[in-house]
Amino acid sequence: EAGVTQFPSHSVIEKGQTVTLRCDPISGHDNLYWYRRVMGKEIKFLLHFVKESKQDESGMPNNRFLAERTGGTYSTLKVQPAELEDSGVYFCASSQQGGQFFGPGTRLTVL
Amino acid sequence: AQRVTQPEKLLSVFKGAPVELKCNYSYSGSPELFWYVQYSRQRLQLLLRHISRESIKGFTADLNKGETSFHLKKPFAQEEDSAMYYCALRGVGSNYKLTFGKGTLLTVNP
Repeated sequence: EAGVTQFPSHSVIEKGQTVTLRCDPISGHDNLYWYRRVMGKEIKFLLHFVKESKQDESGMPNNRFLAERTGGTYSTLKVQPAELEDSGVYFCASSQQGGQFFGPGTRLTVL
Repeated sequence: AQRVTQPEKLLSVFKGAPVELKCNYSYSGSPELFWYVQYSRQRLQLLLRHISRESIKGFTADLNKGETSFHLKKPFAQEEDSAMYYCALRGVGSNYKLTFGKGTLLTVNP
């Protein structure tokens, strides 16, 4: 069974540019989560989808971040425009019942 | 507010020695506690969850509600246990988000 996949694995962009991260959850998992770890800090929750609906987006830092999950399958997280403090590793996770399974993460560097 | 504290950023032990990675939490209610592990160049993976009460790779963790702790223990550390360990908490009800500690980097020396 394929695990959670994320694309790209690395992204380097300049301040002010737009970046879109993609997450493909484990097939059949209704719950999809985005987390972020910035340098020196803990992994922090961003938002939670149940199928295509946003269940909890309390962790989204500001309105430069937009997450979508059209059709309830894969999800995208767009940062527009990117700022220096957005640099970090963005993790996606999915679950059905029980523990969450994490993807390998996307390392975003904003210069 | 829910919070997870892992007081040790780094922990170094010798192979065969006991190891204990500390985790304390604060949550108004009965949370679900997890340990996640990230080996070098691998993804974050679930190691233990307290409701399972199981031992994985020789590790155990007991939820102590009185001390609000969920320490991870192994009686005899192995070199392959070297990794980053994260304690995480999930609230009850529909709040599925995980709250993580900052992690402890465990190094097991030969």
